[in-house]
Amino acid sequence: DIQMTQSPSSLSASVGDRVTITCRASHSIIRYLNWYQQKPGKAPKLLIYAASSLQSGVPSRFSGSGSGTDFTLTISSLQPEDSATYYCQQSYSTPVYTFGQGTKLEIK
Amino acid sequence: EVQLVQSGAEVKKPGESVRISCKGSGYSFSNFWIAWVRQMPGKGLEWMGIIYPGDSDIRYSPSFQGQVTISADKSISTAYLQWSSLKASDTAMYYCARSSGVAGTGLDPWGQGTLVTVSS
Repeated sequence: DIQMTQSPSSLSASVGDRVTITCRASHSIIRYLNWYQQKPGKAPKLLIYAASSLQSGVPSRFSGSGSGTDFTLTISSLQPEDSATYYCQQSYSTPVYTFGQGTKLEIK
Repeated sequence: EVQLVQSGAEVKKPGESVRISCKGSGYSFSNFWIAWVRQMPGKGLEWMGIIYPGDSDIRYSPSFQGQVTISADKSISTAYLQWSSLKASDTAMYYCARSSGVAGTGLDPWGQGTLVTVSS
């Protein structure tokens, strides 16, 4: 099974900051990595698929990069509405998926 | 509009059975996978399993194999998740989500979630 590890588990940043979240796979998943955003009381929302492709309607301040085992989600200029928990997910073994444990992002 | 609509919240006692549903609309239900995801209170997302309604191909996470049953009725565009004997530890929010089954694509859209509460 492919294991996904995110870091940090939580972080706090100010509006306008550049924020980076990291996800590491237990072995190479090429570029088959997705990112989701979940706000309290809501269902998760797909932000980025295939490591760097922005889902339709997602603001351009969100970006993804990486390949192999190491991936990052970057928010270029943090906005108040970006307060949420972010999850990575591998889709290399589709239709079998694995999620990371999540990163809770708070606004200072 | 592609949509997944889940059934309402359930409150059950330990040992009881329950089946929750996820109805798809706005697309060809038979041609996309439906995944089930658990989120225990205050915890992260856990992938439980997935079904292809077209031929009822099912894959379970090892953590959930034997604990739940996934099924689908393509004639009414509905997928199901069921338990035969609930435990208190099954208390969680359960989401369904659509997958194309193609490597590199994600789960989208998601249902609104069904809260299952198991308490004596």
